[in-house]
This record gives sequence, structure tokens and C-alpha cells, in this order.
Amino acid sequence: EPEVTQTPSHQVTQMGQEVILRCVPISNHLYFYWYRQILGQKVEFLVSFYNNEISEKSEIFDDQFSVERPDGSNFTLKIRSTKLEDSAMYFCASGQGNQPQHFGDGTRLSIL
Amino acid sequence: GDSVTQMEGPVTLSEEAFLTINCTYTATGYPSLFWYVQYPGEGLQLLLKATKADDKGSNKGFEATYRKETTSFHLEKGSVQVSDSAVYFCALSDLIGGSEKLVFGKGTKLTVNP
Repeated sequence: EPEVTQTPSHQVTQMGQEVILRCVPISNHLYFYWYRQILGQKVEFLVSFYNNEISEKSEIFDDQFSVERPDGSNFTLKIRSTKLEDSAMYFCASGQGNQPQHFGDGTRLSIL
Repeated sequence: GDSVTQMEGPVTLSEEAFLTINCTYTATGYPSLFWYVQYPGEGLQLLLKATKADDKGSNKGFEATYRKETTSFHLEKGSVQVSDSAVYFCALSDLIGGSEKLVFGKGTKLTVNP
């Protein structure tokens, strides 16, 4: 069964540094999402992406965040200047719009 | 805005016990409802779904019925196994926003002992 893959599985970064989290969605999916889960808290929506543009974003997704689909297969989340509170598990998901979303295994981001 | 409330965990059961995890929701529109499961060290996997009132989603012995009158989608299993130990998330997707983003509950950790 096709899978959403995320790399790296764990990223450790100094506060203030830029970080890029990578995702390869399922190939025939058209809708892409990023979610995050701070340790011990609920999974929160960050952003959705369709037709090469953001379709919706949450209050969390401020100017420090950006998403890109650079080459038709990868879907990246960039955090420009990381803060301690960005430490979380970040999940990528993809879907076909009328079907449930498929999730990757997540990237654990640790900000020091 | 839309929200999902699920029973606080953790839940600890013996093998073959009956499981219920309560989930209620509030939504602007007419949402689809889901249960996702997260096994240790893994991502979120869809367990079951329901898209309209009175629909029953089922998978791997788990069931949940979309109850519009009580805005609930409780997860049940008649006889749990050790391999069911995981975190269970109730979620909804509402087309009002246009992107079908998922809104999750806080998750309920289930531990099944042999």
C-alpha cells in the first residue's frame, strides 16, 4: 500500500536556526497537509496545500513558517527561525479530497 | 470553531475486556468523523470513518456510530487484545473551511494487559 514518507525521523536544531522538514506524499494525491503534536497535547492543524498554493492555514502558521512543493513529489515545511516552543512531532498528510488523509510517521523536531 | 472532546486517558484493560472510548464533537457544518490510531513509534493510521448520521464505521473489530442527535462518535470493541495497545484519536473533517482539515481530540492512550 502506498505510504507517505517523512524525513528525517528526528531533527535536532539550535534555536534561531532554519529547519526544513521533508515529506513525499502519495503520488496520486492532490491535497497536502502539515500537522504538529506538542508532547502530551493534541494533534493540531498547521496548513493545507492544493493546486500549488495554501488553501487554509491556522493561527500557528505565522510568518516563520512556509510550505513548498518544489519538484512535484516533495512537500516541505520550513521554519525560518526556530523557537523552543516549535519542539514537537510534525506530521505530513496527503489525500484526494474526498477520502481520508494518509499520514506519515512524523518528524520529531527538538529545538535546543 | 469546530472541536472534538474525547475521554481522558489513560485506559488500562485486561485482554478480552470490552472497550469504550467516548468522543463528542461540535461543528459548524455536517462533518465526517474518524478514528485514527497511533501505535508506539509510528504515525497516525485511519482506523474507521463515518460520513453521515447513523453510519457505522468498523474495522479490526472496532466500531463507532455517527450519532447526530448526541453529536457523538464513541469507539467500541467487544474484546480487546494486547496488540490494540495504542493511542486513539477521534477527529472530524468539515468542508466549511474548504480544505477538509482534520480537527483532533487529545487522544486516549489504551494499554491492554495479558
